[in-house]
Amino acid sequence: GENVEQHPSTLSVQEGDSAVIKCTYSDSASNYFPWYKQELGKRPQLIIDIRSNVGEKKDQRIAVTLNKTAKHFSLHITETQPEDSAVYFCAASRATGGFKTIFGAGTRLFVKA
Amino acid sequence: EAGVTQFPSHSVIEKGQTVTLRCDPISGHDNLYWYRRVMGKEIKFLLHFVKESKQDESGMPNNRFLAERTGGTYSTLKVQPAELEDSGVYFCASSQADTNEQFFGPGTRLTVL
Repeated sequence: GENVEQHPSTLSVQEGDSAVIKCTYSDSASNYFPWYKQELGKRPQLIIDIRSNVGEKKDQRIAVTLNKTAKHFSLHITETQPEDSAVYFCAASRATGGFKTIFGAGTRLFVKA
Repeated sequence: EAGVTQFPSHSVIEKGQTVTLRCDPISGHDNLYWYRRVMGKEIKFLLHFVKESKQDESGMPNNRFLAERTGGTYSTLKVQPAELEDSGVYFCASSQADTNEQFFGPGTRLTVL
């Protein structure tokens, strides 16, 4: 069946450093790749997404890259801050409504002040 | 605009008992999804409604789980009888008809003793 692999499971960085989380997916039909951030005790929230017709998307300190040939996509956070500490989930789906979303297992990011 | 809401926030029951979880999606969202996260693992897809119809229930673990969305508004997920392995956080998410950008609820933490 479809699956999404996410690495690393835990990531600790110093404030100001960059953090990179990588995911691979199995379903070739996937064309929508959202990233969710879940802070402790809160709901997952969409922070950025990318569709398969682009290779990179940036929003301030966060960026996502997609390699559709290799079925890889990554989240990059620059100039990390303590408030970036959270669990991050990658996911793969299809862009139109009506198709299930497959999530990775999550990466717990610690940003040390 | 109110976000996705879920009730209860926590539920502790004994093995063999019945529990019903409720999700109220964002008003006007045709798509409603149920997910479950067991500690440290992925957010696992359970099922997807489009309005009142089950579009995909391939993630439902077994016939002890019953989901309904009568009238196409709120949804319930009933577990009967509950087993220890049903423990986890149950998330609901919703999206508009033409997009897979999903908005998550706060989750219901279910503990089966």
